[in-house]
Amino acid sequence: NAGVTQTPKFQVLKTGQSMTLQCAQDMNHNSMYWYRQDPGMGLRLIYYSASEGTTDKGEVPNGYNVSRLNKREFSLRLESAAPSQTSVYFCASSEPISYGYTFGSGTRLTVV
Amino acid sequence: DQQVKQNSPSLSVQEGRISILNCDYTNSMFDYFLWYKKYPAEGPTFLISISSIKDKNEDGRFTVFLNKSAKHLSLHIVPSQPGDSAVYFCAARGPPGSSNTGKLIFGQGTTLQVKP
Repeated sequence: NAGVTQTPKFQVLKTGQSMTLQCAQDMNHNSMYWYRQDPGMGLRLIYYSASEGTTDKGEVPNGYNVSRLNKREFSLRLESAAPSQTSVYFCASSEPISYGYTFGSGTRLTVV
Repeated sequence: DQQVKQNSPSLSVQEGRISILNCDYTNSMFDYFLWYKKYPAEGPTFLISISSIKDKNEDGRFTVFLNKSAKHLSLHIVPSQPGDSAVYFCAARGPPGSSNTGKLIFGQGTTLQVKP
């Protein structure tokens, strides 16, 4: 019973490099999300996908792109990494709000 | 503009005592509130929720209180245990018709330390 799986768990990038964070869920949830966590800022929504084939911007989308590959997978891409994107990234999925979101274990990204 | 605020970055309590974590929000149209718990190097896990039509929800040692007139939410943990030491986030569901419709807006988090 994996829930939400994120890869990689850690990554160090140089400024200007690109990378894709992968996320997959096995709970047959329709909605998926990408959040970033920064000290003193809580969790801020980057992008979300309400259902397969749809994506939309959240609070802090600049510098990111997403792909909802299928119902299970939702990837986050950094085209040209910047030090301001150093953060912990969490993917989540959900169905009924009363059960909350299920989060992955996170990707710790450092951009130098 | 922070719509969901947790003004206490940290809280320390003795084992067996009550822990009270607080959360304030600005938008009276939020219709659902949740608390999450996060251990280091793990993702947040759902703890307890409450609908805006209720003022209290209880689950074992955890109780959430909602005061809509004050736009205030609190989580009570009784009795507190060392294993409760974690970061706690409150969250509110974006109201219908807003840019955050259906999505969770999180507070900054409060780090709880329960001392043995």
